Amino acid sequence: DGGITQSPKYLFRKEGQNVTLSCEQNLNHDAMYWYRQDPGQGLRLIYYSQIVNDFQKGDIAEGYSVSREKKESFPLTVTSAQKNPTAFYLCASSIGDRGAGDTQYFGPGTRLTVL
Amino acid sequence: AQSVSQHNHHVILSEAASLELGCNYSYGGTVNLFWYVQYPGQHLQLLLKYFSGDPLVKGIKGFEAEFIKSKFSFNLRKPSVQWSDTAEYFCAVNAYYGGATNKLIFGTGTLLAVQP
Repeated sequence: DGGITQSPKYLFRKEGQNVTLSCEQNLNHDAMYWYRQDPGQGLRLIYYSQIVNDFQKGDIAEGYSVSREKKESFPLTVTSAQKNPTAFYLCASSIGDRGAGDTQYFGPGTRLTVL
Repeated sequence: AQSVSQHNHHVILSEAASLELGCNYSYGGTVNLFWYVQYPGQHLQLLLKYFSGDPLVKGIKGFEAEFIKSKFSFNLRKPSVQWSDTAEYFCAVNAYYGGATNKLIFGTGTLLAVQP
């Protein structure tokens, strides 16, 4: 059954702690993305990766870090430097075809709450 | 910078009413356009997309959208809504800078509530 999985579904963290959100896909997609969703603000891009071992900052990368060591996996670390980390985090992937247009498919999300 | 505007933040309709959700973008070059839907408790799903060709695009569940290049718009329509259409709807644009990116820019979303 192909798709994108994110774990955990809910995550609680104390202030000052780093936390890593998991994202795995078995769609054989080259490109992967991390967004955060806040009420009334839509989705904002945190980081994206077009290919293994390469990634770029999105619009709100401060306080976050990522790695892309495997094609299937794109974990996101929310560091203690992120000033307002409580949010719903969405991972997405796409084939990565920049020439002909590309469709992103989304995982179920992780809701992070900082206590 | 590119942006996407969804003018209706909350829409309340009765069943069988017609729906039109507005979406405007700011970018003069080549664009790909998307509507995504997020049903309560479910993850974001693709509703429909426009890449090229016929500007009237049909999607799942009876939804359609029309790309009007001169108006920079991609409005979503459905002739008769159902209670099960209650969801949040997001318009998104993928703007090309010489083929260098797949970045999607999302609107702020429209919450649709359909009353039975």
